[in-house]
Amino acid sequence: DTEVTQTPKHLVMGMTNKKSLKCEQHMGHRAMYWYKQKAKKPPELMFVYSYEKLSINESVPSRFSPECPNSSLLNLHLHALQPEDSALYLCASSQGGSYGYTFGSGTRLTVV
Amino acid sequence: DAKTTQPNSMESNEEEPVHLPCNHSTISGTDYIHWYRQLPSQGPEYVIHGLTSNVNNRMASLAIAEDRKSSTLILHRATLRDAAVYYCILRGYFSGNTGKLIFGQGTTLQVKP
Repeated sequence: DTEVTQTPKHLVMGMTNKKSLKCEQHMGHRAMYWYKQKAKKPPELMFVYSYEKLSINESVPSRFSPECPNSSLLNLHLHALQPEDSALYLCASSQGGSYGYTFGSGTRLTVV
Repeated sequence: DAKTTQPNSMESNEEEPVHLPCNHSTISGTDYIHWYRQLPSQGPEYVIHGLTSNVNNRMASLAIAEDRKSSTLILHRATLRDAAVYYCILRGYFSGNTGKLIFGQGTTLQVKP
């Protein structure tokens, strides 16, 4: 299995809702990442997990809460989002060193 | 993080070679040069990476200047499916898996039939 799987593919949520995005990989990669991508812009790094511990938080607002329950799974919990948080949320994994990242196809989030 | 500079857009004809340039004049000795591409409505896809020597794989070739201040991604025969945004990114070697991949603006490649 050489894929990163993200669910759901699309999500519409209200500003008072709580929802979660899920990311899964079975490549044995020990680093996992969340990125946010607005339309026609490059992906922006949000969080880095290394060996299931949060190692980098790029000053992301607390309404985004990441979680890494095990080495294969990464969640992003969403609460009280704003319409400007609407974007494509991408998950990626890497085996570290100089190796490349494997990205999922993303969750397209719309906040109404 | 060292920065890269790429042209905003390029055009190519189908079945012709494409050379996508990238400048990285502040590259450090331990930075690897990575290339990714992103097709419409998809996540980025790893293309190739290298340190000092030219590299080839089934997708593309990477030519790295001797002083490492620039590199060129070469698609040998462009197809319509190669139309995408191509990102050139510098990544340091991180043994602890904590390296960051930071995307610049990239080059939008159009392929004409």
